[in-house]
Amino acid sequence: GAVVSQHPSWVICKSGTSVKIECRSLDFQATTMFWYRQFPKQSLMLMATSNEGSKATYEQGVEKDKFLINHASLTLSTLTVTSAHPEDSSFYICSARRTGGGTEAFFGQGTRLTVV
Amino acid sequence: DQQVKQNSPSLSVQEGRISILNCDYTNSMFDYFLWYKKYPAEGPTFLISISSIKDKNEDGRFTVFLNKSAKHLSLHIVPSQPGDSAVYFCAATVGGTSYGKLTFGQGTILTVHP
Repeated sequence: GAVVSQHPSWVICKSGTSVKIECRSLDFQATTMFWYRQFPKQSLMLMATSNEGSKATYEQGVEKDKFLINHASLTLSTLTVTSAHPEDSSFYICSARRTGGGTEAFFGQGTRLTVV
Repeated sequence: DQQVKQNSPSLSVQEGRISILNCDYTNSMFDYFLWYKKYPAEGPTFLISISSIKDKNEDGRFTVFLNKSAKHLSLHIVPSQPGDSAVYFCAATVGGTSYGKLTFGQGTILTVHP
């Protein structure tokens, strides 16, 4: 199967600090990864598309300077929430699409971020 | 603008009966549709998908139906089991290199009673 691992599963940070979330495809290569955010009792909203070796593509309304995305290898994308504030508290989920084809994107287990 | 809508926030079904979850979409460019199951504080788990060139896809207890003219799809679970209780999301995408870039519905909470 295709396994995507996200780390950490949960994190609590102080307001004003930065938090890095990792998304790894464990048994396949992923040229493209996606970052979503889910607020309580709401749907998953796409934040950005992470492309290996190039800049991420952000959805409208998502601040690229606040949510830094780095996709340095074919198996790892990172999302850094900079200068986090309580309103950034949310459930962040990544997904990865297998390089070379396939229509499914496989999801990580998500990261619960709480900013206090 | 909600391009993918699940108008039923919740559904309650008796074990052994059929569960029918519905989803509507507005973007006619969508050509691939997926259903995911999700538990709180976990990532979505893929269930079943359907391409716009088909009107039905079946996998075990799960069947997805697509009505392109009505821009409507549904997920049938037969027979329903208590372990099916979760939040179900439908999602849609446009093909080609955009595969994986999903637009999700709001989700439907399915509860299957023993």
